[in-house]
Amino acid sequence: AQSVTQPDIHITVSEGASLELRCNYSYGATPYLFWYVQSPGQGLQLLLKYFSGDTLVQGIKGFEAEFKRSQSSFNLRKPSVHWSDAAEYFCAVGQHNFGNEKLTFGTGTRLTIIP
Amino acid sequence: DSGVTQTPKHLITATGQRVTLRCSPRSGDLSVYWYQQSLDQGLQFLIQYYNGEERAKGNILERFSAQQFPDLHSELNLSSLELGDSALYFCASSELRSEAFFGQGTRLTVV
Repeated sequence: AQSVTQPDIHITVSEGASLELRCNYSYGATPYLFWYVQSPGQGLQLLLKYFSGDTLVQGIKGFEAEFKRSQSSFNLRKPSVHWSDAAEYFCAVGQHNFGNEKLTFGTGTRLTIIP
Repeated sequence: DSGVTQTPKHLITATGQRVTLRCSPRSGDLSVYWYQQSLDQGLQFLIQYYNGEERAKGNILERFSAQQFPDLHSELNLSSLELGDSALYFCASSELRSEAFFGQGTRLTVV
């Protein structure tokens, strides 16, 4: 069964500092990997995805993530955070099965930005 | 705006009651998913429909059911509601083997 671990429940970063959110997954084959962001009271917005190919993927809002098969990781990074980045971040793994692409989510990392 | 529309945004109901949550997927998306987000369980996959047929089931209670109609909108029916069913219910839609786009969710409060 697939699973996702986000080891950091809460991270606090100063505005302008760099950010890395960790994600480890368990899946039998090459996974589909995603990062979503949820602002308070809002839905989930897709930041970026990895399906295949280049292991460094670029997303919206200046985020990027790197797929490392040897470490079963898909960490999210941003070189300089903005106050508006404060939100909850979810890593997810998806299946390849035709017509069954359910997502398994991690428990989320809450990001706080301090001035 | 993801293009996925969920109604209502908020719902308050009493224990034992039945409610229906509605989802309109993005134009052209044949797959619809329902997820439940609660403080203790996190984001849990409930059920998926593809072009009107049930495709996958997750941790969905027997008191819950869903369907997808010919116009591809979907409804999630929750019955015999309990306090523990209070949660945020998300609908998402996608094309085949593609990323899912989520609606804003329906916040259900059972009192």
